[in-house]
Amino acid sequence: AQTVTQSQPEMSVQEAETVTLSCTYDTSESDYYLFWYKQPPSRQMILVIRQEAYKQQNATENRFSVNFQKAAKSFSLKISDSQLGDAAMYFCAYRSLGSTPLVFGKGTRLSVIA
Amino acid sequence: DVKVTQSSRYLVKRTGEKVFLECVQDMDHENMFWYRQDPGLGLRLIYFSYDVKMKEKGDIPEGYSVSREKKERFSLILESASTNQTSMYLCASNRALGETQYFGPGTRLLVL
Repeated sequence: AQTVTQSQPEMSVQEAETVTLSCTYDTSESDYYLFWYKQPPSRQMILVIRQEAYKQQNATENRFSVNFQKAAKSFSLKISDSQLGDAAMYFCAYRSLGSTPLVFGKGTRLSVIA
Repeated sequence: DVKVTQSSRYLVKRTGEKVFLECVQDMDHENMFWYRQDPGLGLRLIYFSYDVKMKEKGDIPEGYSVSREKKERFSLILESASTNQTSMYLCASNRALGETQYFGPGTRLLVL
């Protein structure tokens, strides 16, 4: 079974600085999807970024980018120019090609300091 | 925009009560999911459904059942609520394999 590990339960970053959230996963599959979801306090969980494992290029969405290292089974999220609105719980998730349920990590709570 | 709604944001129930949590999506999605979220444990899948009247057990189905009579609606049922079912419950849906999951706002359930 696949597992997803987020080794940092909590992180903090100064406003306008850059922060990297770590995620590693364990799988024997060669094709799969990886996701980062954001859950702001008392608000809906939303997708931040996704990566298809067959793509070499790291996904980017505005200030959010990933460092996907397939051989190392690592999928970190970099947030540049951090803003107060980035404060949230961040979940890394994995999904096989052949099934729809996501496998989630335990989350990293990010605080942004003004 | 995809909209996933859940019937209640907060619920307080007594031990032994039957509890219904409702989830509705408006984008004709095939797949719907129920997760519970607990501090330090992340999200754990309870049940999911890939079609009307179809259901599959997730990682922690014990003490729960589900119902999907219509494509847009997926209900989570606690037959006899217990205090260890106090949690945040999240519903999600997606159109097909590999597609992004869209989440509802969550229902925070307290069982006394």
